[in-house]
Amino acid sequence: DTGVSQDPRHKITKRGQNVTFRCDPISEHNRLYWYRQTLGQGPEFLTYFQNEAQLEKSRLLSDRFSAERPKGSFSTLEIQRTEQGDSAMYLCASSQGLARTYNEQFFGPGTRLTVL
Amino acid sequence: LAKTTQPISMDSYEGQEVNITCSHNNIATNDYITWYQQFPSQGPRFIIQGYKTKVTNEVASLFIPADRKSSTLSLPRVSLSDTAVYYCLVGGRTDKLIFGTGTRLQVFP
Repeated sequence: DTGVSQDPRHKITKRGQNVTFRCDPISEHNRLYWYRQTLGQGPEFLTYFQNEAQLEKSRLLSDRFSAERPKGSFSTLEIQRTEQGDSAMYLCASSQGLARTYNEQFFGPGTRLTVL
Repeated sequence: LAKTTQPISMDSYEGQEVNITCSHNNIATNDYITWYQQFPSQGPRFIIQGYKTKVTNEVASLFIPADRKSSTLSLPRVSLSDTAVYYCLVGGRTDKLIFGTGTRLQVFP
């Protein structure tokens, strides 16, 4: 399968713990995005990378959140001192920077986080 | 990205054509109209994109009137597997997608 993959698919943690999610984009894509989705809402943009550079961060991304893409390939999203409000589906997407079709991003299956 | 308005939900039966209309009164000259589909517990999937008039692919058609203030996603002969949330997005070449709450389509047998 050459699509976007995310690991783990599900994560249950206790409030105050740290969690880390991984995203592997489509190999030839140089852009990688993180979104968060809560029940009944559309995905909300968190941050994106072009290669290894983090080019934009949403105000939703508090200082407890950090994302990296160290070699311009896979990315990790870490949440420190988790809160119950962090419970959501965390989606990763990738795209080609010079794609012919604007705004076509390829999404992974998501990591569902539950904070108890 | 321009704000969009679309129905919260729609119901249909298998074999029918479904049309989902999206309003985007403040669309800018360089904005494109893009539709995504999302099944439960999956990430969204790009369906179709257009700028004006009509676009058709193997999945859907997109109708855009001359004033571009609205668009209609048309799904021909829906099946149970088309039950999903459909998002209308409007914007130029952008680095982030801004989703609304989408339209929940329920297809009944």
